[in-house]
Amino acid sequence: GESVGLHLPTLSVQEGDNSIINCAYSNSASDYFIWYKQESGKGPQFIIDIRSNMDKRQGQRVTVLLNKTVKHLSLQIAATQPGDSAVYFCAERGTGGFKTIFGAGTRLFVKA
Amino acid sequence: GAVVSQHPSWVICKSGTSVKIECRSLDFQATTMFWYRQFPKQSLMLMATSNEGSKATYEQGVEKDKFLINHASLTLSTLTVTSAHPEDSSFYICSASSGRGDTEAFFGQGTRLTVV
Repeated sequence: GESVGLHLPTLSVQEGDNSIINCAYSNSASDYFIWYKQESGKGPQFIIDIRSNMDKRQGQRVTVLLNKTVKHLSLQIAATQPGDSAVYFCAERGTGGFKTIFGAGTRLFVKA
Repeated sequence: GAVVSQHPSWVICKSGTSVKIECRSLDFQATTMFWYRQFPKQSLMLMATSNEGSKATYEQGVEKDKFLINHASLTLSTLTVTSAHPEDSSFYICSASSGRGDTEAFFGQGTRLTVV
Protein backbone atom coordinates (compact mmCIF):
# COMPACT_ATOMS: atom_id res chain seq x y z
CA GLY A 1 0.00 0.00 0.00
CA GLU A 2 0.96 3.63 -0.09
CA SER A 3 3.25 4.74 2.66
CA VAL A 4 5.56 7.51 3.55
CA GLY A 5 8.09 6.64 6.20
CA LEU A 6 11.17 7.91 7.96
CA HIS A 7 14.57 6.40 8.64
CA LEU A 8 15.11 7.96 12.08
CA PRO A 9 12.47 8.40 14.77
CA THR A 10 14.60 10.85 16.82
CA LEU A 11 17.42 13.22 16.08
CA SER A 12 19.48 15.14 18.60
CA VAL A 13 21.72 17.99 17.42
CA GLN A 14 23.78 20.71 19.01
CA GLU A 15 22.56 24.26 18.67
CA GLY A 16 24.17 25.87 15.66
CA ASP A 17 24.77 22.61 13.83
CA ASN A 18 22.93 21.58 10.68
CA SER A 19 20.13 19.01 10.90
CA ILE A 20 19.13 16.50 8.27
CA ILE A 21 15.85 14.66 8.51
CA ASN A 22 15.17 11.87 6.04
CA CYS A 23 12.05 10.35 4.60
CA ALA A 24 11.34 7.46 2.25
CA TYR A 25 8.16 7.22 0.24
CA SER A 26 6.75 4.31 -1.68
CA ASN A 27 4.17 5.80 -4.01
CA SER A 28 5.96 6.67 -7.22
CA ALA A 29 2.79 8.44 -8.43
CA SER A 30 3.13 11.16 -5.79
CA ASP A 31 4.02 14.46 -7.38
CA TYR A 32 4.01 16.88 -4.49
CA PHE A 33 5.86 16.63 -1.19
CA ILE A 34 5.65 18.76 1.91
CA TRP A 35 7.53 19.05 5.18
CA TYR A 36 5.61 20.01 8.28
CA LYS A 37 6.70 20.97 11.78
CA GLN A 38 4.49 20.09 14.70
CA GLU A 39 4.98 21.42 18.20
CA SER A 40 3.38 19.71 21.15
CA GLY A 41 -0.39 20.15 21.27
CA LYS A 42 -0.56 22.07 18.02
CA GLY A 43 -1.47 21.40 14.42
CA PRO A 44 1.18 20.90 11.71
CA GLN A 45 2.91 23.98 10.39
CA PHE A 46 3.98 24.16 6.76
CA ILE A 47 7.74 24.46 6.30
CA ILE A 48 8.55 23.88 2.66
CA ASP A 49 7.31 21.93 -0.32
CA ILE A 50 8.68 20.53 -3.54
CA ARG A 51 7.21 19.20 -6.75
CA SER A 52 8.33 16.01 -8.42
CA ASN A 53 9.82 17.92 -11.35
CA MET A 54 12.39 19.46 -9.00
CA ASP A 55 15.21 17.92 -6.98
CA LYS A 56 16.02 20.79 -4.66
CA ARG A 57 14.28 23.76 -3.17
CA GLN A 58 15.54 26.27 -0.65
CA GLY A 59 13.77 28.39 1.88
CA GLN A 60 14.92 30.42 4.81
CA ARG A 61 17.39 28.16 6.66
CA VAL A 62 15.72 25.09 5.19
CA THR A 63 16.38 23.04 2.08
CA VAL A 64 14.39 20.10 0.76
CA LEU A 65 16.00 17.53 -1.49
CA LEU A 66 14.07 15.03 -3.57
CA ASN A 67 15.59 11.92 -5.10
CA LYS A 68 12.92 10.24 -7.19
CA THR A 69 15.23 7.43 -8.25
CA VAL A 70 15.36 6.04 -4.73
CA LYS A 71 12.13 7.69 -3.53
CA HIS A 72 13.87 9.68 -0.86
CA LEU A 73 13.13 13.08 0.60
CA SER A 74 15.21 15.05 3.07
CA LEU A 75 14.90 18.26 5.04
CA GLN A 76 18.02 20.18 5.92
CA ILE A 77 17.89 22.83 8.62
CA ALA A 78 20.87 25.16 8.77
CA ALA A 79 22.17 26.53 12.07
CA THR A 80 19.61 24.67 14.12
CA GLN A 81 18.09 26.66 16.95
CA PRO A 82 16.28 25.60 20.15
CA GLY A 83 13.04 26.83 18.58
CA ASP A 84 13.45 24.19 15.90
CA SER A 85 12.81 21.45 18.46
CA ALA A 86 9.62 19.72 17.34
CA VAL A 87 8.37 16.71 15.41
CA TYR A 88 8.88 16.91 11.68
CA PHE A 89 6.68 15.09 9.20
CA CYS A 90 7.12 14.55 5.53
CA ALA A 91 3.93 14.24 3.57
CA GLU A 92 2.94 13.40 0.03
CA ARG A 93 0.14 14.14 -2.32
CA GLY A 94 -0.71 12.13 -5.39
CA THR A 95 -1.31 13.23 -8.93
CA GLY A 96 -4.60 15.09 -9.27
CA GLY A 97 -5.49 14.41 -5.68
CA PHE A 98 -5.84 16.73 -2.75
CA LYS A 99 -5.41 14.48 0.23
CA THR A 100 -2.13 14.63 2.05
CA ILE A 101 -0.64 11.46 3.51
CA PHE A 102 1.79 11.84 6.39
CA GLY A 103 4.91 9.91 7.21
CA ALA A 104 5.81 8.57 10.66
CA GLY A 105 7.59 11.68 11.96
CA THR A 106 11.00 12.49 13.43
CA ARG A 107 11.44 14.23 16.75
CA LEU A 108 14.23 16.80 16.66
CA PHE A 109 15.94 17.74 19.92
CA VAL A 110 18.21 20.76 19.88
CA LYS A 111 20.76 20.87 22.68
CA ALA A 112 21.85 24.28 23.86
CA GLY B 1 -0.73 32.05 5.30
CA ALA B 2 -4.44 31.42 5.53
CA VAL B 3 -6.07 30.77 8.88
CA VAL B 4 -7.99 27.66 9.85
CA SER B 5 -9.64 27.63 13.24
CA GLN B 6 -10.86 24.63 15.20
CA HIS B 7 -13.26 24.68 18.09
CA PRO B 8 -13.06 23.57 20.78
CA SER B 9 -9.35 23.23 21.48
CA TRP B 10 -10.05 20.53 24.00
CA VAL B 11 -13.12 18.71 25.25
CA ILE B 12 -13.86 16.09 27.87
CA CYS B 13 -17.01 14.05 27.52
CA LYS B 14 -18.62 11.02 29.07
CA SER B 15 -18.80 7.65 27.34
CA GLY B 16 -21.86 7.31 25.18
CA THR B 17 -22.26 10.98 24.44
CA SER B 18 -21.59 12.72 21.13
CA VAL B 19 -19.12 15.50 20.53
CA LYS B 20 -19.01 18.00 17.67
CA ILE B 21 -15.80 19.62 16.49
CA GLU B 22 -15.87 22.61 14.17
CA CYS B 23 -13.32 23.57 11.54
CA ARG B 24 -13.53 27.01 9.98
CA SER B 25 -11.51 28.67 7.24
CA LEU B 26 -11.41 32.29 8.32
CA ASP B 27 -10.08 34.11 5.29
CA PHE B 28 -10.60 31.86 2.29
CA GLN B 29 -13.17 29.54 0.81
CA ALA B 30 -12.36 25.92 1.48
CA THR B 31 -13.90 23.67 -1.13
CA THR B 32 -12.14 20.72 0.44
CA MET B 33 -11.50 19.94 4.09
CA PHE B 34 -9.72 17.00 5.62
CA TRP B 35 -10.02 15.39 9.01
CA TYR B 36 -7.14 13.62 10.71
CA ARG B 37 -6.69 11.91 14.04
CA GLN B 38 -3.41 11.61 15.85
CA PHE B 39 -2.62 9.32 18.77
CA PRO B 40 0.26 10.21 21.12
CA LYS B 41 3.70 9.93 19.52
CA GLN B 42 2.17 8.86 16.22
CA SER B 43 1.60 10.44 12.87
CA LEU B 44 -1.52 12.04 11.52
CA MET B 45 -3.90 9.50 10.02
CA LEU B 46 -6.33 10.76 7.42
CA MET B 47 -9.90 9.92 8.36
CA ALA B 48 -11.92 11.53 5.60
CA THR B 49 -12.07 14.12 2.87
CA SER B 50 -15.07 16.39 2.68
CA ASN B 51 -16.11 18.55 -0.22
CA GLU B 52 -18.57 21.36 0.22
CA GLY B 53 -22.09 20.26 -0.54
CA SER B 54 -21.36 16.57 -0.99
CA LYS B 55 -20.86 13.49 1.13
CA ALA B 56 -17.51 12.92 2.72
CA THR B 57 -15.13 10.27 1.45
CA TYR B 58 -13.87 8.10 4.28
CA GLU B 59 -10.57 6.28 4.40
CA GLN B 60 -10.56 2.55 4.74
CA GLY B 61 -11.31 1.43 8.28
CA VAL B 62 -12.99 4.65 9.37
CA GLU B 63 -16.62 4.18 10.39
CA LYS B 64 -18.75 6.79 8.68
CA ASP B 65 -21.61 6.28 11.12
CA LYS B 66 -19.24 6.82 14.01
CA PHE B 67 -17.56 9.92 12.65
CA LEU B 68 -20.16 12.11 11.01
CA ILE B 69 -18.79 14.82 8.76
CA ASN B 70 -20.76 17.76 7.46
CA HIS B 71 -19.38 20.38 5.07
CA ALA B 72 -22.39 22.60 4.55
CA SER B 73 -20.58 25.79 3.59
CA LEU B 74 -17.32 26.89 2.04
CA THR B 75 -16.00 27.98 5.41
CA LEU B 76 -17.22 25.34 7.83
CA SER B 77 -16.89 21.61 8.27
CA THR B 78 -17.91 19.68 11.37
CA LEU B 79 -16.86 16.31 12.72
CA THR B 80 -19.22 14.63 15.17
CA VAL B 81 -17.93 11.71 17.17
CA THR B 82 -21.06 9.75 18.01
CA SER B 83 -21.46 7.54 21.06
CA ALA B 84 -17.91 8.29 22.09
CA HIS B 85 -15.83 5.71 23.94
CA PRO B 86 -12.46 6.03 25.69
CA GLU B 87 -10.69 4.56 22.65
CA ASP B 88 -11.92 7.57 20.65
CA SER B 89 -9.77 9.81 22.82
CA SER B 90 -7.30 11.41 20.46
CA PHE B 91 -6.08 14.62 18.89
CA TYR B 92 -8.31 15.55 15.96
CA ILE B 93 -6.96 17.93 13.34
CA CYS B 94 -8.61 19.46 10.31
CA SER B 95 -7.06 21.03 7.26
CA ALA B 96 -8.60 23.11 4.53
CA SER B 97 -7.75 23.74 0.92
CA SER B 98 -9.17 25.97 -1.75
CA GLY B 99 -9.38 22.88 -3.86
CA ARG B 100 -6.74 22.73 -6.53
CA GLY B 101 -4.33 19.82 -6.29
CA ASP B 102 -1.36 22.15 -6.13
CA THR B 103 -2.77 24.26 -3.36
CA GLU B 104 -1.29 24.23 0.10
CA ALA B 105 -3.59 22.83 2.76
CA PHE B 106 -3.76 24.86 5.97
CA PHE B 107 -4.15 23.13 9.30
CA GLY B 108 -6.18 23.95 12.35
CA GLN B 109 -4.68 23.93 15.82
CA GLY B 110 -6.29 20.61 16.68
CA THR B 111 -8.86 19.43 19.22
CA ARG B 112 -7.89 17.21 22.13
CA LEU B 113 -10.79 14.83 22.87
CA THR B 114 -10.82 12.89 26.12
CA VAL B 115 -13.63 10.43 26.71
CA VAL B 116 -14.08 9.33 30.31
